[in-house]
Amino acid sequence: DVKVTQSSRYLVKRTGEKVFLECVQDMDHENMFWYRQDPGLGLRLIYFSYDVKMKEKGDIPEGYSVSREKKERFSLILESASTNQTSMYLCASSFKAGGLYSNQPQHFGDGTRLSIL
Amino acid sequence: AQSVTQLDSHVSVSEGTPVLLRCNYSSSYSPSLFWYVQHPNKGLQLLLKYTSAATLVKGINGFEAEFKKSETSFHLTKPSAHMSDAAEYFCVVSALSGGYNKLIFGAGTRLAVHP
Repeated sequence: DVKVTQSSRYLVKRTGEKVFLECVQDMDHENMFWYRQDPGLGLRLIYFSYDVKMKEKGDIPEGYSVSREKKERFSLILESASTNQTSMYLCASSFKAGGLYSNQPQHFGDGTRLSIL
Repeated sequence: AQSVTQLDSHVSVSEGTPVLLRCNYSSSYSPSLFWYVQHPNKGLQLLLKYTSAATLVKGINGFEAEFKKSETSFHLTKPSAHMSDAAEYFCVVSALSGGYNKLIFGAGTRLAVHP
């Protein structure tokens, strides 16, 4: 079974702090994704990566950055945390099929519930 | 542009009765569609996927979905609900965007199952 592991289930930080959320997958997936999930809004894509050291902005990248130094690890960084970044953060990974175009399902971690005070 | 609409934010059924969760999509080409389930404090688990093969797709835990192009629908059904089915369900379309395929999620339907 695919295993996507997020380093923390719950995290509490203060405004202005730099926050790191870590995600590791064990299935040699090329693609990795970061989403945030808010009630009534479903999941929204923050950033994604299709290869090591490669990153692409999703729909709501403002206030976030990412790092992919190794294939299995994808980190989400809140440069200066703000209260409106309090949310559930979900990491996902998938194979890349057919080159850049993929309809492979994504496999999700259990999420990190982040509170910014 | 691709989009997905889940028609009900909450659905409540009794244990042993059928489940219907409704989803409509918008896509300018033949879409790939998915249903995911999220149990409390857990990540999303893939229930089933449609990728232009059979229009009736069978998934895990007795769920299935039917792709109807004429109605642009991909409704999720189960003949008999179980208490363990109580969760949030997401209908998802795979969309081309800037040369990459990304997943676009519906807002979710929360399923409650009563004894």
